[in-house]
Amino acid sequence: KAGVTQTPRYLIKTRGQQVTLSCSPISGHRSVSWYQQTPGQGLQFLFEYFSETQRNKGNFPGRFSGRQFSNSRSEMNVSTLELGDSALYLCASSLDGQPYGYTFGSGTRLTVV
Amino acid sequence: GENVEQHPSTLSVQEGDSAVIKCTYSDSASNYFPWYKQELGKRPQLIIDIRSNVGEKKDQRIAVTLNKTAKHFSLHITETQPEDSAVYFCAASKVTGGGNKLTFGTGTQLKVEL
Repeated sequence: KAGVTQTPRYLIKTRGQQVTLSCSPISGHRSVSWYQQTPGQGLQFLFEYFSETQRNKGNFPGRFSGRQFSNSRSEMNVSTLELGDSALYLCASSLDGQPYGYTFGSGTRLTVV
Repeated sequence: GENVEQHPSTLSVQEGDSAVIKCTYSDSASNYFPWYKQELGKRPQLIIDIRSNVGEKKDQRIAVTLNKTAKHFSLHITETQPEDSAVYFCAASKVTGGGNKLTFGTGTQLKVEL
């Protein structure tokens, strides 16, 4: 079966712009979680969605937002981009929201210039 | 909130030797501890995990041990091979019926030298 698909793979944006990233979970999985990976901070939790509801949110500013659609696909949006938002954004899907056996996507590499 | 510390940040071993990576966590309610391997340019992949009701788990050359009293857990890789070279992340989670998240350690760059 298809894995977790993230699009686009690479993105270059200018400071002040906004960006939308997409994540399609494994078929049948109802939970999507988002993580930011940077060399300095490692993997940091952004938020988790289950059946279109945000159930958990990490310590990121309100510029970071997300949503989940009825087909479980999820998007995350970052507004007013800053240089520090440059990172690899990973999503992980799970069947029922439990973190056992999370499957990560390949990520979207965002560069803010 | 949960805090996970991971050591060492880099580890270099000779092929065939063993490698040990250690993590400590702060929240005694955490009950799930996975380990991920991330090769350069690739996604993190789960290699082994352990739940708090178990003290040790093995899968071929990989094992994880958990000491709940001391709040630390370790990854053991025996008979290391060049393909084991990667960044390894430990993580901890307090799994509930509601929203869950993983808190990750900062990673260990393992290099297996020929």
